[in-house]
Amino acid sequence: SQKIEQNSEALNIQEGKTATLTCNYTNYSPAYLQWYRQDPGRGPVFLLLIRENEKEKRKERLKVTFDTTLKQSLFHITASQPADSATYLCALGASGGSYIPTFGRGTSLIVHP
Amino acid sequence: SAVISQKPSRDICQRGTSLTIQCQVDSQVTMMFWYRQQPGQSLTLIATANQGSEATYESGFVIDKFPISRPNLTFSTLTVSNMSPEDSSIYLCSVPGQRSYEQYFGPGTRLTVT
Repeated sequence: SQKIEQNSEALNIQEGKTATLTCNYTNYSPAYLQWYRQDPGRGPVFLLLIRENEKEKRKERLKVTFDTTLKQSLFHITASQPADSATYLCALGASGGSYIPTFGRGTSLIVHP
Repeated sequence: SAVISQKPSRDICQRGTSLTIQCQVDSQVTMMFWYRQQPGQSLTLIATANQGSEATYESGFVIDKFPISRPNLTFSTLTVSNMSPEDSSIYLCSVPGQRSYEQYFGPGTRLTVT
């Protein structure tokens, strides 16, 4: 069955360091992969999308890589700040133009001042 | 981007009762989605609500338990019927963006069933 894996343990890092979150998947051939941010008591907020034919995408301090051979995406936040503390969800979308991605459970990031 | 509001933001209900959750979008959209997010779990799609047609339910979700209305292009409701403690969850509505398959989510409704 299709499976999306994100580290269930929280990632704790010091302010100013680069945070790296991992999203692995199995039994899936996604056409695109998305990352969302979710704060407590709020709905997820879309951050970035990367397509299957793209290796890397950047947006300000965010960088996403997508390795369809390893079936893995890495999400980097450079120069992290305490305000970056949140849960980050990855979501995979199937080919065929589906607007409905499948979400992982998310990884909590805690940036310490 | 779309701005989405949900009512209520939270509620505590007794088992056997029903709760209707409202979702309002600030622009007209064809598709609206309803998700459930149980503690420590991923977002699970309940159904897709298109205006003017019956909602399309995902495997494991049925209309009798989660009836949905979509009276116009900016509004939808999800009812959680005959609730049990297992229905305790956050319920979210979302709409697709104009591009790139992103989704915009409402703030969610936190439901606790006692």
